[in-house]
Amino acid sequence: GAGVSQTPSNKVTEKGKYVELRCDPISGHTALYWYRQSLGQGPEFLIYFQGTGAADDSGLPNDRFFAVRPEGSVSTLKIQRTERGDSAVYLCASSDPRGAGNEQYFGPGTRLTVT
Amino acid sequence: KQEVTQIPAALSVPEGENLVLNCSFTDSAIYNLQWFRQDPGKGLTSLLLIQSSQREQTSGRLNASLDKSSGRSTLYIAASQPGDSATYLCAVGNTGKLIFGQGTTLQVKP
Repeated sequence: GAGVSQTPSNKVTEKGKYVELRCDPISGHTALYWYRQSLGQGPEFLIYFQGTGAADDSGLPNDRFFAVRPEGSVSTLKIQRTERGDSAVYLCASSDPRGAGNEQYFGPGTRLTVT
Repeated sequence: KQEVTQIPAALSVPEGENLVLNCSFTDSAIYNLQWFRQDPGKGLTSLLLIQSSQREQTSGRLNASLDKSSGRSTLYIAASQPGDSATYLCAVGNTGKLIFGQGTTLQVKP
């Protein structure tokens, strides 16, 4: 079946602009995660959804970052008033918590560049 | 606060060698541990998942072990090949989210 997909694959925006990043999880996966990866670093957790609700948003760096998952499937990560420090690869993952070990499967990521 | 460390940061070996990548974590209260592979400019590919009740998992030439009491995991790669060249990431899971190490970048020379 199809894996996790993310759009766009690349996004270049000017400082101060608003961006939306989209994630389509594996069909049937009720859990969805967002991570951010800077160059040369491991991914850092941002937020985790179980169904439509955010189960853990402790990784969101500030109130410019917000994510939604209104129907429990597709999720959108929204960044307001972008800053150059927001430049990174944003990764989305999904999992079936009922499955053995709750293995997370990752999408290809969206590379965000803020100029 | 959980911290994950991977040593070494980079490793270069000749083709055919067996090698071990190390991962350590500070809090033994984990739900699972995953090893991932990441090729340059690409997403993460899950290699192996070890649940907290397990000691090891094997897939082909890969074997991952877990020792929760000492806060350590190893990824063993047998008979390395140039196609194994990539960054390998270790991540520990608890309460849903994964906490990642910084990765080990492996180069296997023909």
